[in-house]
Amino acid sequence: GEDVEQSLFLSVREGDSSVINCTYTDSSSTYLYWYKQEPGAGLQLLTYIFSNMDMKQDQRLTVLLNKKDKHLSLRIADTQTGDSAIYFCAERSNSGYALNFGKGTSLLVTP
Amino acid sequence: DTGVSQDPRHKITKRGQNVTFRCDPISEHNRLYWYRQTLGQGPEFLTYFQNEAQLEKSRLLSDRFSAERPKGSFSTLEIQRTEQGDSAMYLCASSFIRGYEQYFGPGTRLTVT
Repeated sequence: GEDVEQSLFLSVREGDSSVINCTYTDSSSTYLYWYKQEPGAGLQLLTYIFSNMDMKQDQRLTVLLNKKDKHLSLRIADTQTGDSAIYFCAERSNSGYALNFGKGTSLLVTP
Repeated sequence: DTGVSQDPRHKITKRGQNVTFRCDPISEHNRLYWYRQTLGQGPEFLTYFQNEAQLEKSRLLSDRFSAERPKGSFSTLEIQRTEQGDSAMYLCASSFIRGYEQYFGPGTRLTVT
C-alpha cells in the first residue's frame, strides 16, 4: 500500500510547543487524521482535515496540510506531561474506508 | 459509557488453539472496522462491515481469520489455529455511514505462546 511516514521520537519540555510531522505518498488521500495512543490503550481521535483545507485549529491543536508536498503536521501548543503518548498520522482516500496509518511518533514531555 | 467496547481485553492462548474476540460499536454506527496492531507499528486494516455486510477484506486477513456481524450490531473476529505471528493488539472501530471519523475501542491484546 501507499506509505505514511513519521519521525519516531520527539522530546519537548513542558510548556513548549510540539510539532509532529507526517508525509504521505497517496495523491488520492482525501482525509487526513491524527490519533493519540496512550500505553495499553486504544486510539483516540484528535482531529482530522480534508485535503481541500490548508489548516485546522482546535483549541491547543493546529493541523497544517501542504498538499503539494504531501506533508501534514500537528502542532500542540503549551505541551503538558499528559500529552506524552504515541501520535499516529493516518490517511484515507475517497474511494475506500480503510485508514492507512504511519508507525507513530512517540512524544515525551519532560517537566 | 457509549464508546466502542471490546471483549476480552487480554487473551493468552497456546499455538494451534482457536480464539474469538467481540466488538460492540457505538450504537447507531453502521460501519464497523477491524485493525491489527503489532508492537512498534501503526494499526493495519483487516476488514470492515456496513451493517451486516462485509464489504472489504485486506490481504492480511488469511483463511484462518473470519469476521462476522450477523445482526448489524456487534461483531466477532475468530482466528483459527493460532500462530505466534498472530500475537498483536486487535482493534475495533466504528463510524456512521456518512461519517469521516472512526472511533476506536480499547483493543484486545492477544498473546500466542
